[in-house]
Amino acid sequence: GQQVMQIPQYQHVQEGEDFTTYCNSSTTLSNIQWYKQRPGGHPVFLIQLVKSGEVKKQKRLTFQFGEAKKNSSLHITATQTTDVGTYFCAGMGWHTGNQFYFGTGTSLTVIP
Amino acid sequence: IAGITQAPTSQILAAGRRMTLRCTQDMRHNAMYWYRQDLGLGLRLIHYSNTAGTTGKGEVPDGYSVSRANTDDFPLTLASAVPSQTSVYFCASSSMPNTEAFFGQGTRLTVV
Repeated sequence: GQQVMQIPQYQHVQEGEDFTTYCNSSTTLSNIQWYKQRPGGHPVFLIQLVKSGEVKKQKRLTFQFGEAKKNSSLHITATQTTDVGTYFCAGMGWHTGNQFYFGTGTSLTVIP
Repeated sequence: IAGITQAPTSQILAAGRRMTLRCTQDMRHNAMYWYRQDLGLGLRLIHYSNTAGTTGKGEVPDGYSVSRANTDDFPLTLASAVPSQTSVYFCASSSMPNTEAFFGQGTRLTVV
């Protein structure tokens, strides 16, 4: 079964609204990465989190790694049409053979 | 700079046929990966190679084989294709197994 779960699967927002996607693992992760895939494109790396409770920001994007290192979130403030795409988390831990296993992804649609 | 190149871009294959998807990178990355992407399931790791000469099994290795004879190339072979192997296949590479991955443009494979 899927090692890393993501919710929601789909999200439609009005331009200017905020957006959050959540990533959950049943076991502790050593690292977590986030990727963005534009429609018809390939995944592109956004960020990597390593430390418990870590928070990183990239302009309007805020990434957080949970204290227990079992969950993570990506929050986008004031979405723009350029944010459209599917956002994936990828978790690494002993239960994944120390390889990154991707979550199911959250597809974001931004309505102008 | 090409980065990571996959071939072919797309292919329609008769069930039972043998097929090799090619992947080449020019970044001298140690680690390479093959993922398949299916709607609702995200990206699932098929096989990986942490360094030239070594390979490992990912989440969904059955029906696929890989080799890593040198640093640059990481071909994926379907020995006898089945319709359930219809998918988009992405090759990726990273300098080390726990660092940022760079993805190719993908191969869309349809098995009929």
